[in-house]
Amino acid sequence: DAGITQSPRHKVTETGTPVTLRCHQTENHRYMYWYRQDPGHGLRLIHYSYGVKDTDKGEVSDGYSVSRSKTEDFLLTLESATSSQTSVYFCAISESDRDYGYTFGSGTRLTVV
Amino acid sequence: QKEVEQNSGPLSVPEGAIASLNCTYSDRGSQSFFWYRQYSGKSPELIMFIYSNGDKEDGRFTAQLNKASQYVSLLIRDSQPSDSATYLCAEGGLYNFNKFYFGSGTKLNVKP
Repeated sequence: DAGITQSPRHKVTETGTPVTLRCHQTENHRYMYWYRQDPGHGLRLIHYSYGVKDTDKGEVSDGYSVSRSKTEDFLLTLESATSSQTSVYFCAISESDRDYGYTFGSGTRLTVV
Repeated sequence: QKEVEQNSGPLSVPEGAIASLNCTYSDRGSQSFFWYRQYSGKSPELIMFIYSNGDKEDGRFTAQLNKASQYVSLLIRDSQPSDSATYLCAEGGLYNFNKFYFGSGTKLNVKP
């Protein structure tokens, strides 16, 4: 398997609590991404990173923050979880900044109750 | 806001037939297009990509791009039950931090 892992794989949390999802890669790829996948919406970009400490917002970034202190780790934090953030979250990595397909992690299924 | 549209399906085809999956996009300036396959409960995996107008073949798969009409299609020849999955179309990447916009996917059922 590609060297990308997400943790946890499943999580149930309560509304209003902070939650952090982790993406870890061993490929030394510069580019990392967080997407969420919801029925009828496909994959939507939350945040992305183009290097250590270099991050930017995607199309659905409200309520989320990210950090990348090392090349291999990209953390996604839900600052105060809401039911609308119940989703499947995928991390992806890319070797290049142009025209490269992604390698996806296995996903994290998050349920906010 | 870029939009990538796909018919959600399900598209049902008999084993051995050709499955045709279609995708339209809103940004006339889009340059590159990718097809991913996603099995239920799994992560997407890259099938193929296309940048130029015309056809691109890879084994049983053919991607077609028509920039004038702003559509992309994926043909799967000799469809197998193992091809049953959701197929995601994505556009973007070029000169944009490799960010992609995904369609919501078309579910394909191949019946034995």
